[in-house]
Parts: sequence; structure tokens; C-alpha cells
Amino acid sequence: DAKTTQPPSMDCAEGRAANLPCNHSTISGNEYVYWYRQIHSQGPQYIIHGLKNNETNEMASLIITEDRKSSTLILPHATLRDTAVYYCIARARTGGGNKLTFGTGTQLKVEL
Amino acid sequence: NAGVTQTPKFQVLKTGQSMTLQCAQDMNHEYMSWYRQDPGMGLRLIHYSVGAGITDQGEVPNGYNVSRSTTEDFPLRLLSAAPSQTSVYFCASSQDRGWEKLFFGSGTQLSVL
Repeated sequence: DAKTTQPPSMDCAEGRAANLPCNHSTISGNEYVYWYRQIHSQGPQYIIHGLKNNETNEMASLIITEDRKSSTLILPHATLRDTAVYYCIARARTGGGNKLTFGTGTQLKVEL
Repeated sequence: NAGVTQTPKFQVLKTGQSMTLQCAQDMNHEYMSWYRQDPGMGLRLIHYSVGAGITDQGEVPNGYNVSRSTTEDFPLRLLSAAPSQTSVYFCASSQDRGWEKLFFGSGTQLSVL
């Protein structure tokens, strides 16, 4: 798995867009970028994933740079309920089980 | 739709005791796994299973055993609990060999005295 680097913490005002960066400069061509989040005391929750193209779903948007060395998770209108730890993971889809490695992530705090 | 169910939610053990953490999923997922989460460490993979009858070790398997006799259940056994196993344990499952969506249980908080 490619190493990912995330800032340890970020703040965001409620209603504003939250942009969470992730650096994965050693990512290989077959490795996807996955984002999960963990709200306090709960199990992690899948958000979104992508390979090359930008992706959007009902929860967030994922912007991957053209060279794939970094990506940004965007929560377009952050709410207090989005306060959580966000994990960025780079992993190839080569089978063998769900061996996702979670680092320490970014603690996002959404404030009024 | 229950998803991934873990029991118990909380457990206190004495050093040397044994116990089993239960995990069940009702989504007919092939893949199941166990993680532990310690402060400042993120989630670390303990054991995983790619289907009934098949298990393999993750990053931190020592002190834990698993088995997968059915698709639905994936229990984690602590044979002789140690204080170093004090942690929050999460079970997860996913549908197929892709890594798209891991579904997590709500966790078991274990304290070993």
C-alpha cells in the first residue's frame, strides 16, 4: 500500500465546504484512493473511492490530481454531524481480503 | 437490516482469562475482518477471512485466534488475556474482492486488568 499523509486536524465552519487533503506521492497505477470516516465511538464508515477521475456521491466529492500524487475530499456543506476522523487509504484491488490499513487520519471539527 | 453486529459492547477481563468476541453479518458478505484501535494508532488489522473455512493473519495477530465456520459469523478469541489487549475491537465485512465498501460493527470496548 502506498503511504498516505494527512494533516492531524482541521477546523471548518458549519455550512462551508470542508476540504481534506491527502498526499500519496508513491501511489502506483493500480492503487485506488479510499476515504472513510469515524465519528466518535462508532465504527468507521465508507465515504468514497476513486482511481483517476474525480468522483461524487451523496456524501462527498473526491478530487484526484492528474499525477495522482494527492487528492482532496470535499464535504460541500459541512454540518456538526460531519465532525469525525477522516482516513485516506491507498490500496490496490488485488483481492486477498479486506486488508485496508488505517493510519491516524485527520480530525475534522465543524463549528458553528 | 442489521448489518454487522458485535457483542458484547463492553467487557472487563482479568489477566489470563479467555473470552470470545462475537461478530455476525446478515449481508451474505464473503469477507470479514477484525481490527483493534488504540489511541494514536489508527486501526490495525488482526485477522481476516476471505470466505467460510479460510482465515489469515493481519498486522497484529499474536494472542488472538479466529475461525470461520459459516459465512455469517467470525468470532475472535482471546486465549489468555493480557493488559496489552485492552483496546476497542471492530469487526468489518465486505461483499467481494474489491475494497470499495467495508461495513463496520459498532465495536467492543475491552479492558484487561
